Amino acid sequence: SQQGEEDPQALSIQEGENATMNCSYKTSINNLQWYRQNSGRGLVHLILIRSNEREKHSGRLRVTLDTSKKSSSLLITASRAADTASYFCATDPDSGGGADGLTFGKGTHLIIQP
Amino acid sequence: NAGVMQNPRHLVRRRGQEARLRCSPMKGHSHVYWYRQLPEEGLKFMVYLQKENIIDESGMPKERFSAEFPKEGPSILRIQQVVRGDSAAYFCASSPTGYYAEAFFGQGTRLTVV
Repeated sequence: SQQGEEDPQALSIQEGENATMNCSYKTSINNLQWYRQNSGRGLVHLILIRSNEREKHSGRLRVTLDTSKKSSSLLITASRAADTASYFCATDPDSGGGADGLTFGKGTHLIIQP
Repeated sequence: NAGVMQNPRHLVRRRGQEARLRCSPMKGHSHVYWYRQLPEEGLKFMVYLQKENIIDESGMPKERFSAEFPKEGPSILRIQQVVRGDSAAYFCASSPTGYYAEAFFGQGTRLTVV
């Protein structure tokens, strides 16, 4: 399986509820990023968490990183209809001279029901 | 400061034709990355370029694909003799300082091979 796998693949919740998405990866990383992609649009960078950080907040977003478990979670609180999108985690591997470029998972498709 | 501009947004090519995808990075950004997104999948790294140099092309298919980022003008991703399997969304990202910086993405070019 690939680096950066999101779970679940799809999530449908009611507006106002919290949404939690998880990401697992395999190799050691320098940082992990979360992106949002609205249908038919490009990616929007949401938040970056470095390997020496455990938690980071940005507005209604909360990201955690557990390097011992090689996993991260993205929590969106008080969800809104506009949060409906696909969410991707991307890892920046600590490849020591290997391939550059982020590695993306397949994404979690989040649907917020009004 | 305009964002990363990609054109065309949609491109239709017949099998065997050439596809040229353009990416104009954000002003002041000299690092460009190309990613491919197949349907229902996450982004896959293809190539990382700086002005006039290919830094890492480990994600590029060995044949028919090439990329350049000339001193003047946009970065070009060129696909020769396109096949149906090349149908995908191609995203370009730019950053000011290189791989570890936050990358800004374009809206993507959706290539359809018929």
